Amino acid sequence: QPMLTQPPSVSGAPGQRVSVSCSGSSSNIGTHTVSWYQQVPGTAPRLLIFSNSQRASGVPDRFSGSKSGTSASLAIGGLQSEDEADFYCATWDGSLNEWVFGGGTKLTVL
Amino acid sequence: QVQLQESGPGLVRPLQTLSLTCSVSGGSVISGNFYWNWIRLPAGKGLEWIGRIHSTGTTNYNPSVKGRLTISLDMSGNRLSLKLTSVTAADTAVYFCARDFSGWYFDYWGQGALVTVSS
Repeated sequence: QPMLTQPPSVSGAPGQRVSVSCSGSSSNIGTHTVSWYQQVPGTAPRLLIFSNSQRASGVPDRFSGSKSGTSASLAIGGLQSEDEADFYCATWDGSLNEWVFGGGTKLTVL
Repeated sequence: QVQLQESGPGLVRPLQTLSLTCSVSGGSVISGNFYWNWIRLPAGKGLEWIGRIHSTGTTNYNPSVKGRLTISLDMSGNRLSLKLTSVTAADTAVYFCARDFSGWYFDYWGQGALVTVSS
């Protein structure tokens, strides 16, 4: 069972905005920064957001991240068909002394 | 530009040892405040972090594989390796190596290696 909770799926029409939530606890999200990854099946995950809200190099500003307390969120605006992928949040858990991931959220662009 | 490339057998028999190597180019595995990780993706499931090694040799392992997993650095070959003993079908997955910057985020990933455990 993943330590971070994400919705299994989200969907939106082209041009719309969607968000993906990531819920954790005081020992992980509450204490450490969150990063987000996009994974197209058959390819390596790609870093999108680090340190809660910083976009990685080359990531369009349609992607944004935020964190509040023990939860984080990834927002994707101006949806495009090429955004279809699985999205994962991740952070370090200071009590478990290990990296923890969310279960992943599949984005479908309608 | 740092690049990582996994290699190893695609098929392992149950109860045998799974061995993978991750070759690193564009950076040294023994310099900087970096950790070198193994992360796996079982079919139909999410990413699972299984362990990491710091450039100084310190390791952390996921309890789900602790006792079976060894991660090491080959400084002369600039690569890291994974050895997972007594494998079962539950260890079937795509295995990725990835660099994490000071425990903050994974900035570079390999393309992944599919390992199937089957007789």
